[in-house]
Amino acid sequence: DTAVSQTPKYLVTQMGNDKSIKCEQNLGHDTMYWYKQDSKKFLKIMFSYNNKELIINETVPNRFSPKSPDKAHLNLHINSLELGDSAVYFCASSRSGPLTDTQYFGPGTRLTVL
Amino acid sequence: AQTVTQSQPEMSVQEAETVTLSCTYDTSENNYYLFWYKQPPSRQMILVIRQEAYKQQNATENRFSVNFQKAAKSFSLKISDSQLGDTAMYFCAYCTGNQFYFGTGTSLTVIP
Repeated sequence: DTAVSQTPKYLVTQMGNDKSIKCEQNLGHDTMYWYKQDSKKFLKIMFSYNNKELIINETVPNRFSPKSPDKAHLNLHINSLELGDSAVYFCASSRSGPLTDTQYFGPGTRLTVL
Repeated sequence: AQTVTQSQPEMSVQEAETVTLSCTYDTSENNYYLFWYKQPPSRQMILVIRQEAYKQQNATENRFSVNFQKAAKSFSLKISDSQLGDTAMYFCAYCTGNQFYFGTGTSLTVIP
């Protein structure tokens, strides 16, 4: 039943490690997103894919690499994790682009880098 | 520069009362969308209401309504008959083209 799911829900790891967060949507949407929410609750878009094609790539370190194997999945891989990467990461999807449609969010993944 | 401003970091309201959360935004665009999202302690982001800039009529969803003032670039959210389940962070969001901006949020507490 879950519309947008993310795994894992919690991720605790050491600095310097590489980790991935997976996102899947079963809504048949064409567009998917990754957001980062920092400790002050500010939510910032990182990437957006439309039909597996990157359409938004905000200024994020190139240690962050999104991968979209198909339009129902958008995974986020992070290399060489740093303390400042600790945050909650949200995946979202919409039927088409953000201008025309509502975004549906996943439950979030809390990443803690030690 | 911050595109979306929520000037009230925290607010509280008595159960069954009405509360209004403010949001202003900065844009030179004429075609855009505005949203209010709710984030309860569970962290899930839930759409509350959305408004198309070309529509003059204010959007309404049950107990939630907006006061959209396009000239003033203001988009406030009114919650009527507040319920305990309304306790959450509320984010105002603006989008145009492929750009999506969130405000810094307002933490709302409904007091029994």
